[in-house]
Amino acid sequence: GAGVSQSPSNKVTEKGKDVELRCDPISGHTALYWYRQSLGQGLEFLIYFQGNSAPDKSGLPSDRFSAERTGGSVSTLTIQRTQQEDSAVYLCAGRGTGENLYNEQFFGPGTRLTVL
Amino acid sequence: RKEVEQDPGPFNVPEGATVAFNCTYSNSASQSFFWYRQDCRKEPKLLMSVYSSGNEDGRFTAQLNRASQYISLLIRDSKLSDSATYLCVVKGSGTYKYIFGTGTRLKVLA
Repeated sequence: GAGVSQSPSNKVTEKGKDVELRCDPISGHTALYWYRQSLGQGLEFLIYFQGNSAPDKSGLPSDRFSAERTGGSVSTLTIQRTQQEDSAVYLCAGRGTGENLYNEQFFGPGTRLTVL
Repeated sequence: RKEVEQDPGPFNVPEGATVAFNCTYSNSASQSFFWYRQDCRKEPKLLMSVYSSGNEDGRFTAQLNRASQYISLLIRDSKLSDSATYLCVVKGSGTYKYIFGTGTRLKVLA
């Protein structure tokens, strides 16, 4: 398809387990963001990838969180030793390149993570 | 103070009503402004960008007031399908980070 895809759409896991979330952005979108959205909260920035540049990981809440982007396309967000407070919707978004101030972000449908 | 603040609502309005939302931002160097719409359990989607001179798209009008550091969204002739959460988004100058408000929830009632 032409849109951003994420998998799985839902993930229920037990506390302490590791999870891996996947994002497949629109082809050609070199900028990729991961966000977390908790119930009733705004989108919380987690990490940003742009081409071959070093990612901005400043939003990752702890060292249990990591992300990578292979070949400038698919990205995976890994959460190790999950905790109940990690329960949220994890959204990824892609954006085209260029200096346009109004570049739109295109979001995937998200992964709803529930940690029991 | 949050970087981007919105009244969470909900705003409950009858069909056909006009409703307006405001959003304030704290960083005076912010350069790009957007309204996104998020339906329940769905991803955010761009509704419209907000330009300095203000802009209109059908029933939707967006305004920017740099002096007071707020943006607004006006919806005329509300439809049931307008029911959603409206997210205010601000991007600073020279940065790739988008700052999202927590959203304003709108319910249009029949």
